[in-house]
Amino acid sequence: AAGVIQSPRHLIKEKRETATLKCYPIPRHDTVYWYQQGPGQDPQFLISFYEKMQSDKGSIPDRFSAQQFSDYHSELNMSSLELGDSALYFCASSLGLAGGDEQFFGPGTRLTVL
Amino acid sequence: AQKVTQAQTEISVVEKEDVTLDCVYETRDTTYYLFWYKQPPSGELVFLIRRNSFDEQNEISGRYSWNFQKSTSSFNFTITASQVVDSAVYFCALSEVADKLIFGTGTRLQVFP
Repeated sequence: AAGVIQSPRHLIKEKRETATLKCYPIPRHDTVYWYQQGPGQDPQFLISFYEKMQSDKGSIPDRFSAQQFSDYHSELNMSSLELGDSALYFCASSLGLAGGDEQFFGPGTRLTVL
Repeated sequence: AQKVTQAQTEISVVEKEDVTLDCVYETRDTTYYLFWYKQPPSGELVFLIRRNSFDEQNEISGRYSWNFQKSTSSFNFTITASQVVDSAVYFCALSEVADKLIFGTGTRLQVFP
């Protein structure tokens, strides 16, 4: 069965650079979530999209932006990278906004900021 | 306020021991969902189980079992006859109607041979 695809899997950037993370949800899934997991921490919700519209926003820095495209894939754009942005970034997809629909997680993108 | 508490930071057991991971949650909603995820050293998040607030039926699935008690706001997870491959960080999570997952801080389980 198709799973959530995230690219790249690993990314190394310098401070103040920009990064773009991509997420391809499971086919027919219309909802995408982004989470950030710092070293030794739990995943923290960043932002979500339903049918290409932002549906919820968490503790996402103003330096970050995201969108969901017509083919339902999503991109997380991160600018002016800081050392503290080094983390594992997960994308998850689900079918519909109904609370509790299982979120299927991608393998994550490990971002290292030097 | 939504909150998930996993008081156990780290648990170490020897193979074949049973181990229970505790999870306590807080929510004002009457409809909510509870989850357990496993995160092995490779880093991916593996879905284990979901329960909704109207389903307090406990379940056993192979070596895994879950104990959901609304009266104490707890959703505990037990591994019977633990194996080395069970070594991972286990996260309990809560989802309200808004649907984002609120994770606990995780419990690191180490199973020694």
